[in-house]
Amino acid sequence: KQEVTQIPAALSVPEGENLVLNCSFTDSAIYNLQWFRQDPGKGLTSLLLIQSSQREQTSGRLNASLDKSSGRSTLYIAASQPGDSATYLCAVRPNAGNNRKLIWGLGTSLAVNP
Amino acid sequence: DTEVTQTPKHLVMGMTNKKSLKCEQHMGHRAMYWYKQKAKKPPELMFVYSYEKLSINESVPSRFSPECPNSSLLNLHLHALQPEDSALYLCASSQAADRVMGEAFFGQGTRLTVV
Repeated sequence: KQEVTQIPAALSVPEGENLVLNCSFTDSAIYNLQWFRQDPGKGLTSLLLIQSSQREQTSGRLNASLDKSSGRSTLYIAASQPGDSATYLCAVRPNAGNNRKLIWGLGTSLAVNP
Repeated sequence: DTEVTQTPKHLVMGMTNKKSLKCEQHMGHRAMYWYKQKAKKPPELMFVYSYEKLSINESVPSRFSPECPNSSLLNLHLHALQPEDSALYLCASSQAADRVMGEAFFGQGTRLTVV
């Protein structure tokens, strides 16, 4: 059974720091992995999607990597800003069985302090 | 346009009321989803529609009734809800071609309070 874990659960950093959020999954048979951002009480914003054949994706100050064999993905945020404060969720789409169902981590709550 | 639009943004309803949540996307996606999210938890899948047909029902109580009138619209009809059904209800869509599932896009959610 696929399980997704995100570490740390919460993170507080001063503005300007580079930071790394971690996501690990137990079954490497994934179709893709997606990182989302969620502001309190709001919907989810898709940040980056990495297909299983890819190693990384970049968008602006964000870089996500994927190491399928070791069951790990990282989200790197460069030069963090207070506006980056949110909960970051990763989700994997299995490559077997019911792959319409995303499997979610519990998220990392990020606070970037001015 | 990568937008999924949900209405209303907020809804307060009594336990005897009937109401509906609406979701719309114009990205040509053929898979649409309803999720329920409680505070500080990840989204929990409720229903999946693929090509306007219900393909997954995650054992959701019958007081929640989904409907997909066409490829752009998804509704969730609510009747006789309980206070514990209060949550953020999220709609999402993705490309769907059998097992080829692309990026999932989410709406901003409907904050539902059952009194």
